[in-house]
Amino acid sequence: AQSVSQHNHHVILSEAASLELGCNYSYGGTVNLFWYVQYPGQHLQLLLKYFSGDPLVKGIKGFEAEFIKSKFSFNLRKPSVQWSDTAEYFCAVTPNTGGFKTIFGAGTRLFVKA
Amino acid sequence: GAVVSQHPSWVICKSGTSVKIECRSLDFQATTMFWYRQFPKQSLMLMATSNEGSKATYEQGVEKDKFLINHASLTLSTLTVTSAHPEDSSFYICSARLGQGPEKLFFGSGTQLSVL
Repeated sequence: AQSVSQHNHHVILSEAASLELGCNYSYGGTVNLFWYVQYPGQHLQLLLKYFSGDPLVKGIKGFEAEFIKSKFSFNLRKPSVQWSDTAEYFCAVTPNTGGFKTIFGAGTRLFVKA
Repeated sequence: GAVVSQHPSWVICKSGTSVKIECRSLDFQATTMFWYRQFPKQSLMLMATSNEGSKATYEQGVEKDKFLINHASLTLSTLTVTSAHPEDSSFYICSARLGQGPEKLFFGSGTQLSVL
């Protein structure tokens, strides 16, 4: 079965620290990859996406993610986090098989200390 | 951006009763909506795909007679948890797709259901 694995359930960082959240998926075919973010009290919203082309994609608010096909990974990074990045982050995969059903990871709660 | 409204945001009900959750796309028409369920520290699990004007497609292991989905219009899908039991207590979230591509998915704010 297809699945998405996020390595950490909780991450605590100080402001200005660098962030990397791991994401691995299991699916052998072509996929579309996403990172979603949910700020406290708000809806899930798209942070960035990868469909094809340059495997390093840039999203909003200084986030980027790198698709490494050989590792089935799509890790999220940010060089210097801010207190306002405190949120829950979800990695998601949509196999490119039609129907476009999105499979989510369990999420990582990031808390940034001011 | 596109807005999806989900109501109620939380509900407490007695065991054996039914609960209806609404998902509305406020400023766009959504031919397809999705319903997810999330247990603490676990993934958002896709329950079913709701297509306007036709029967929902349920994922394996999801009881279609227990989780009734109705997508009667292009802006509204409802999920009814029938004869709720404490094990149905969970966080339910809907999403609506704008257009045909996989990326334009907009989420409701979720419903926390607690069954006593």
